[in-house]
Amino acid sequence: KNEVEQSPQNLTAQEGEFITINCSYSVGISALHWLQQHPGGGIVSLFMLSSGKKKHGRLIATINIQEKHSSLHITASHPRDSAVYICAVDKFYGGSQGNLIFGKGTKLSVKP
Amino acid sequence: GAVVSQHPSWVICKSGTSVKIECRSLDFQATTMFWYRQFPKQSLMLMATSNEGSKATYEQGVEKDKFLINHASLTLSTLTVTSAHPEDSSFYICSAMNSGSYEQYFGPGTRLTVT
Repeated sequence: KNEVEQSPQNLTAQEGEFITINCSYSVGISALHWLQQHPGGGIVSLFMLSSGKKKHGRLIATINIQEKHSSLHITASHPRDSAVYICAVDKFYGGSQGNLIFGKGTKLSVKP
Repeated sequence: GAVVSQHPSWVICKSGTSVKIECRSLDFQATTMFWYRQFPKQSLMLMATSNEGSKATYEQGVEKDKFLINHASLTLSTLTVTSAHPEDSSFYICSAMNSGSYEQYFGPGTRLTVT
């Protein structure tokens, strides 16, 4: 079993819909990252969080440390949101941070 | 936001040659940088952790003599793929960790094709 599981693997939505992507993990972490990868491959860091909730524009990320679960929400989705969204956890590793374990990603396609 | 650049963005090389990829943090200092590799339709996998002024730490299964990492300054790490083979063709991504905030920022990636 992977240490980081994302669901769904693929998601198709209509423009304007509210979208939720889930991430569950099974290891101790110091932080969790949500990343966006566009078809060209480049990665953009959306959020890094270790507790509670963060909001940036139409994007909201939440994390429940006790349940080892995080969600990424997109409100009023738009075709330009189409990308692969990746959850990555910063695993406790000899006291240092930054050693990420990645989920397999959720491919989001937003239709106009 | 913080910017990390990679150069080149793509490269095609012949089997047996060496290729150097640069990763730069443009507006912050990074004592630690990370090198990842992503094969098609797969997750990113950590290859090695690059620490400024010291030897890199390689993940299990990554050949340190094949993937040479140098982190000579607080803003630059380089990955050299030596004696490249077609199976080294992949998408290589670096990230840099801000020494002050511990936030990690990703480069845009380098697509390597070995013919």
